[in-house]
Amino acid sequence: KAGVTQTPRYLIKTRGQQVTLSCSPISGHRSVSWYQQTPGQGLQFLFEYFSETQRNKGNFPGRFSGRQFSNSRSEMNVSTLELGDSALYLCASSVEGLEEKLFFGSGTQLSVL
Amino acid sequence: AQTVTQSQPEMSVQEAETVTLSCTYDTSENNYYLFWYKQPPSRQMILVIRQEAYKQQNATENRFSVNFQKAAKSFSLKISDSQLGDTAMYFCAFMPPETSGSRLTFGEGTQLTVNP
Repeated sequence: KAGVTQTPRYLIKTRGQQVTLSCSPISGHRSVSWYQQTPGQGLQFLFEYFSETQRNKGNFPGRFSGRQFSNSRSEMNVSTLELGDSALYLCASSVEGLEEKLFFGSGTQLSVL
Repeated sequence: AQTVTQSQPEMSVQEAETVTLSCTYDTSENNYYLFWYKQPPSRQMILVIRQEAYKQQNATENRFSVNFQKAAKSFSLKISDSQLGDTAMYFCAFMPPETSGSRLTFGEGTQLTVNP
């Protein structure tokens, strides 16, 4: 069974641009959550999607958004990029009813220049 | 809101020895999950061990065990017979009851180095 797949692995953007990151969960997993990891702020929860609906949301500005498709794949979008958005973005998936058993992807490293 | 605190930014241990990583948390919930995750240089977040708050028995996974003190809101990780492959960043994390979905609150992390 394939693990959680995040694409791309690395991304370089400039300030003001927008970016879309993709996450394909493990087959059968309907919950997908996103985390931002930075040296200064550590690991912070962005949002969680379940059955195409946002179920939880962290404390991030509206520039950060996400969505989930009917096949459970999820995308997150960051508009008007700022230097502080440079981070490792991690995605995790879980099975309904076993949300405590999270499986993480290897992340997308975003650099904003 | 829940908070998780890891007061040891860095620790080191000699191969084959035992090391304990500390974690405290704050919550008003009575039932929840606590985790220790390992993040090696590959960046993949790997689950080390999980504890359910309503279970009084401390969780163990091979060389890894926890000391869960619910009243003190303390959740330490003991690694026995440390191996070079244990070198990684270790994160303590909290998850509220499953009815809230899967939302983890992480601590700041402890960089563990195992020396040969």
